[in-house]
Amino acid sequence: ERVMTQSPATLSVSPGERATLSCRASQGVSTNLAWYQQRPGQAPRLLIFGASRRATGVPSRFSGGGSGTEFTLTISSLQSEDFAVYYCQQYNQGLSFGGGTKVEVK
Amino acid sequence: EVQLVESGGGLVRPGGSLRLSCAVSGFTFSNYWMSWVRQAPGKGLEWVATIKRDGSENNYVENVKGRVTISRDNARNLLFLQMISLRVEDTAVYYCVRLAGGHFDYWGQGALVSVSS
Repeated sequence: ERVMTQSPATLSVSPGERATLSCRASQGVSTNLAWYQQRPGQAPRLLIFGASRRATGVPSRFSGGGSGTEFTLTISSLQSEDFAVYYCQQYNQGLSFGGGTKVEVK
Repeated sequence: EVQLVESGGGLVRPGGSLRLSCAVSGFTFSNYWMSWVRQAPGKGLEWVATIKRDGSENNYVENVKGRVTISRDNARNLLFLQMISLRVEDTAVYYCVRLAGGHFDYWGQGALVSVSS
């Protein structure tokens, strides 16, 4: 089983600043990794798949990178609607999620 | 427009049973693998089960095996999750999700299942 670990658990950022979230896989997952955003009271929304490919309608300020065991999600300039919880998910072997990173207002 | 609408959630006693349904529209249902993902209150996401396009293959997370059955009706565009022997730790919002090459590209709004005495 691939265990996904996200860090930090909480990230405090000011609006307009850059945020970088990390996701680590216990074993290599190639680029079979996705990122999701979940706003309070809402279902998760797909942001990134294939480690770096933006889903339809996702703003260009969201970018994903990495391969193997180390991945990042970068939000270049945080907008008010970006304060949310973000999850990574691997689909290289089975399906599993990381524990999430909450991006909060500093 | 792709839509996934869950129903069937509610309060059930430990040891009880429940069947969730998901009505889908806006895409050719039979062309996609489908899954259920759950989220316990205040917790993260957990994949629960996946079913192949034609229903011939199912996969489950270890802690629900033998208690949960995923199924589908391609003629009626419906996805199901039958749960028996429910435990308190099964309390969660259950999301119906479309699987696209391994990632989940469309999500329903979720159905709350509460297991409590």
